[in-house]
Amino acid sequence: SQQGEEDPQALSIQEGENATMNCSYKTSINNLQWYRQNSGRGLVHLILIRSNEREKHSGRLRVTLDTSKKSSSLLITASRAADTASYFCATDAGQGGATNKLIFGTGTLLAVQP
Amino acid sequence: NAGVTQTPKFQVLKTGQSMTLQCAQDMNHEYMSWYRQDPGMGLRLIHYSVGAGITDQGEVPNGYNVSRSTTEDFPLRLLSAAPSQTSVYFCASSVPGLSTDTQYFGPGTRLTVL
Repeated sequence: SQQGEEDPQALSIQEGENATMNCSYKTSINNLQWYRQNSGRGLVHLILIRSNEREKHSGRLRVTLDTSKKSSSLLITASRAADTASYFCATDAGQGGATNKLIFGTGTLLAVQP
Repeated sequence: NAGVTQTPKFQVLKTGQSMTLQCAQDMNHEYMSWYRQDPGMGLRLIHYSVGAGITDQGEVPNGYNVSRSTTEDFPLRLLSAAPSQTSVYFCASSVPGLSTDTQYFGPGTRLTVL
């Protein structure tokens, strides 16, 4: 069974708008990661947030983590057509440290209209 | 660095045939993993390895074998292909303990079993 569930399944916005994707998971985690996948391609790592962190920024990306609610959100600000892709959250449930055995969510398909 | 490479990119098999998907990385990463991605879903972990000579099962290991004789290579063997194994297969590598714990993904192998 998959650890992460993402919401929404699909999101369509206009260029320049912000996009927010949410991820919920089931068990305690060491860290949570977000990946992007362009159509027909492999996954690209975007950002990692550890269980003792609440918020992290990287360029136009902002990730929050609420371990009490077992949820995370990814915000992409000032979206561009090139941001069109599927976005996946992935959790590492290792308790003694990261195991790199990732459990992926089902993904959010983001379409940014020019 | 070439990063993570996978061969072949595409493969069509008949039910019952066997084959090996190749994965290699030139980053001297200890951790390597195999995932499968079915349409509209996230990735699911098949097998992983924490170093040469050490492998373990992931979430969906049945029907697949792996071995890790060198740090660089992590082949995935399908013993007797079944239509349920039609999927896109991704190999990933990482170095545990780094601040990012980032996994690097290969471009994928698209497998169809008839």
